[in-house]
Amino acid sequence: DGGITQSPKYLFRKEGQNVTLSCEQNLNHDAMYWYRQDPGQGLRLIYYSQIVNDFQKGDIAEGYSVSREKKESFPLTVTSAQKNPTAFYLCASDSTGYKNTEAFFGQGTRLTVV
Amino acid sequence: GNSVTQMEGPVTLSEEAFLTINCTYTATGYPSLFWYVQYPGEGLQLLLKATKADDKGSNKGFEATYRKETTSFHLEKGSVQVSDSAVYFCALSDWRTGNQFYFGTGTSLTVIP
Repeated sequence: DGGITQSPKYLFRKEGQNVTLSCEQNLNHDAMYWYRQDPGQGLRLIYYSQIVNDFQKGDIAEGYSVSREKKESFPLTVTSAQKNPTAFYLCASDSTGYKNTEAFFGQGTRLTVV
Repeated sequence: GNSVTQMEGPVTLSEEAFLTINCTYTATGYPSLFWYVQYPGEGLQLLLKATKADDKGSNKGFEATYRKETTSFHLEKGSVQVSDSAVYFCALSDWRTGNQFYFGTGTSLTVIP
């Protein structure tokens, strides 16, 4: 079955550590996105990539980094520079440039700083 | 620019009540409009969509009509069930500008028996 897989589902990080969240899709989508969701709030865009080896900052990119070496994969690194990383992180993908397409979401990773 | 505004929650309804969640949008082009649903601890799932003015999206008893004149895409359901309890997000995207999605802040719905 095609879809988006995020791992792990739960992640704990000590202060000062970098952690990487995985996002893989087998939908052959060109575009991939990372969103952050805080309790009671909407989704805020962290980074997005519309093609391999290219990505752009979203609204809240500070303290995060990404790479897009393969079409299927878009990992997100939460660095120690991110002051408040505890949140629910969602990865999504869609077919950029195709009319009327919807975004498909993974099941999310809940990151907690301990 | 593009943006989405949806009614704030939380919304609590009794089973079989009528549901309306308001959503209005601002867009520079001709966007597609979407409603997504999020169950606790999960990602977002597409509920319905509409791609041009006057289109009606529908799924699982939910409906929303793309109203260009009022820039709205209100979600409705005639008779809610306990299993509809979730957070609902209105969103837009415009493939002409790279298909980036813009989401509302979400509306939490709780349906009580």
